[in-house]
Amino acid sequence: AQKVTQAQTEISVVEKEDVTLDCVYETRDTTYYLFWYKQPPSGELVFLIRRNSFDEQNEISGRYSWNFQKSTSSFNFTITASQVVDSAVYFCALSEAITGGGNKLTFGTGTQLKVEL
Amino acid sequence: DTGVSQNPRHKITKRGQNVTFRCDPISEHNRLYWYRQTLGQGPEFLTYFQNEAQLEKSRLLSDRFSAERPKGSFSTLEIQRTEQGDSAMYLCASSLVMIYNEQFFGPGTRLTVL
Repeated sequence: AQKVTQAQTEISVVEKEDVTLDCVYETRDTTYYLFWYKQPPSGELVFLIRRNSFDEQNEISGRYSWNFQKSTSSFNFTITASQVVDSAVYFCALSEAITGGGNKLTFGTGTQLKVEL
Repeated sequence: DTGVSQNPRHKITKRGQNVTFRCDPISEHNRLYWYRQTLGQGPEFLTYFQNEAQLEKSRLLSDRFSAERPKGSFSTLEIQRTEQGDSAMYLCASSLVMIYNEQFFGPGTRLTVL
């Protein structure tokens, strides 16, 4: 069965600090996709990034960067120079192919990030 | 706004009542998913449609739950004889038929069963 573990329940940082959110996953599939979503207080899940299992290149997008390491089954997310607007719950998710070509997502329990002034 | 929309945003009901939620996906997306999120947890998959066909259902979806997607456009999720344990956020997501399959989520319907 698929499993995603986000061991950090809550992280508090001061604005401008860098912060890394950890994600460890378990799957028997050889082809899979990993995702990060942001859930601000408004509740809507916002897609941040997708990574497929064949691409272990790290990715940077502005202040966000992702480190995918297949050898340790980890897909960590770093926010550089954090801002108050980054305060949200962040979810890591793993896709699993289902009937008809769809993909169901297995989410971790989320990490609540609080960025304070 | 061309994102996924859900109605109502909030629903309070008494135990034993039936409730129905609606999801309007992004217009060109033919895949639609329902998830349930309880407090402090990540969303859990409930069911999946490709066009009007319901192709996958989770064991979480008891007999009291039914979902439809007539004509492959909007979808409804009905819960009959609600129980307090049904209190949760019900999220809808849609995606295109393509390799990457990232799902775009709506704002959710928060259900409170008294």
